[in-house]
Amino acid sequence: DTAVSQTPKYLVTQMGNDKSIKCEQNLGHDTMYWYKQDSKKFLKIMFSYNNKELIINETVPNRFSPKSPDKAHLNLHINSLELGDSAVYFCASSQAGGDEQYFGPGTRLTVT
Amino acid sequence: GENVEQHPSTLSVQEGDSAVIKCTYSDSASNYFPWYKQELGKGPQLIIDIRSNVGEKKDQRIAVTLNKTAKHFSLHITETQPEDSAVYFCAAPISSGYALNFGKGTSLLVTP
Repeated sequence: DTAVSQTPKYLVTQMGNDKSIKCEQNLGHDTMYWYKQDSKKFLKIMFSYNNKELIINETVPNRFSPKSPDKAHLNLHINSLELGDSAVYFCASSQAGGDEQYFGPGTRLTVT
Repeated sequence: GENVEQHPSTLSVQEGDSAVIKCTYSDSASNYFPWYKQELGKGPQLIIDIRSNVGEKKDQRIAVTLNKTAKHFSLHITETQPEDSAVYFCAAPISSGYALNFGKGTSLLVTP
C-alpha cells in the first residue's frame, strides 16, 4: 500500500493554464507538506498544514493555493501557470511538526 | 535549521569503499537531523535520522554522527554497493518545526 500518493505523476501544460495536483496519505498523519524541487534538485518548502490548518506559507506566489479537505488530503492548485513553475512537486506527511516526514513520488510539472 | 550547507556536491567511490557526506546548520536550537536518499525519478526516502540528545546512530551500513557544539552532522556509508548510487540530502527543521530546510544534495556514484 502506498503511504503518500500523488496524482498525476506527469503534467504538461501551457502557460496561462490552471492545474491541480492531488495528494493523499494513508498513514494517519496530522501534518502534510508541499515541497518544490527545481532543476538543480534543490528542495524547498512551499506550504505545511496541520490538522487542515495552514501553518507555513513560504513566500509562494498567490497563484499557488493549497487546500486540505481533510487530514488525509492536501491538494495544490496553481493558477496562470508560468514557465518558472516547471519543477517536481513533492507532497509529504508526518505525524506532527518535527517528526519524520515521508514523501510521495512527486509530480513533474512542465509548462510550455 | 534555517541554513543547511552540504558537502561535497558530488562523490565517486569504488564499490566496497566508505562514503562520507557532511552538513552544517546555523540554528543552534535545531534538534532533529534526517538524511534522505533520492533515486532517479522517485521521491526522497528517509534512510536515517538523529536527534540532538545522541551523538551517533547506526543502522547496518549507514551511520550518522552529530556534533552540536560545531553544528555539523555527517552521514557515513560503509561497504558501499552500486545500489547506493543516488542523491543524498541532509536536512534540519525550520524554526517552527513544521518544515525541513534541505542541503543542496550530494550525488553519490558507486562504481563496481
